Amino acid sequence: ILNVEQSPQSLHVQEGDSTNFTCSFPSSNFYALHWYRWETAKSPEALFVMTLNGDEKKKGRISATLNTKEGYSYLYIKGSQPEDSATYLCASWIGDYKLSFGAGTTVTVRA
Amino acid sequence: DGGITQSPKYLFRKEGQNVTLSCEQNLNHDAMYWYRQDPGQGLRLIYYSQIVNDFQKGDIAEGYSVSREKKESFPLTVTSAQKNPTAFYLCASSIVLGRGNEQFFGPGTRLTVL
Repeated sequence: ILNVEQSPQSLHVQEGDSTNFTCSFPSSNFYALHWYRWETAKSPEALFVMTLNGDEKKKGRISATLNTKEGYSYLYIKGSQPEDSATYLCASWIGDYKLSFGAGTTVTVRA
Repeated sequence: DGGITQSPKYLFRKEGQNVTLSCEQNLNHDAMYWYRQDPGQGLRLIYYSQIVNDFQKGDIAEGYSVSREKKESFPLTVTSAQKNPTAFYLCASSIVLGRGNEQFFGPGTRLTVL
């Protein structure tokens, strides 16, 4: 993996269902992975910063795991609610100054 | 409330015109950034600034210029040399420049060239 990639590009979830999606990143020279939530017409908002292999972070119904050796992170949403509808971005550091962003996964929760 | 403001929210430009996008932060952050978003792509870094009167080119600086005369302000000018300027532009800041520092974002400006 040379760049940060996210899949799927979009997904639709029924209210109450759980879902998850993937961020892949270069595993060499890994420093930290950032997850952001970006709601329509708002600023991207930081969710998690993950640094250690095996790291798990949780914020309410949203959680994330990190595998630095194979270069991937999963973000999970448990019991999706309409307010979870957003684009979720992940980003990994490339060198000392640059955050490399994935294209995002857009989640739409249907009532 | 501390945060980052960008103005205007929507901007329309005729071909051949320069336009300036505003970015102001009251977080007392040293570092500021400009990103561009195009459909289906990740955010791409245009310029970044470590401190007042200092800025560096990012990955896609051609056709853009910036200034950093005040700590709070980092305006971006999209010049007529930018071949495809229609995009969504995000400004961000962090306490200092360097990996691991969380970046805080503004709400963005959508630029459309007519």
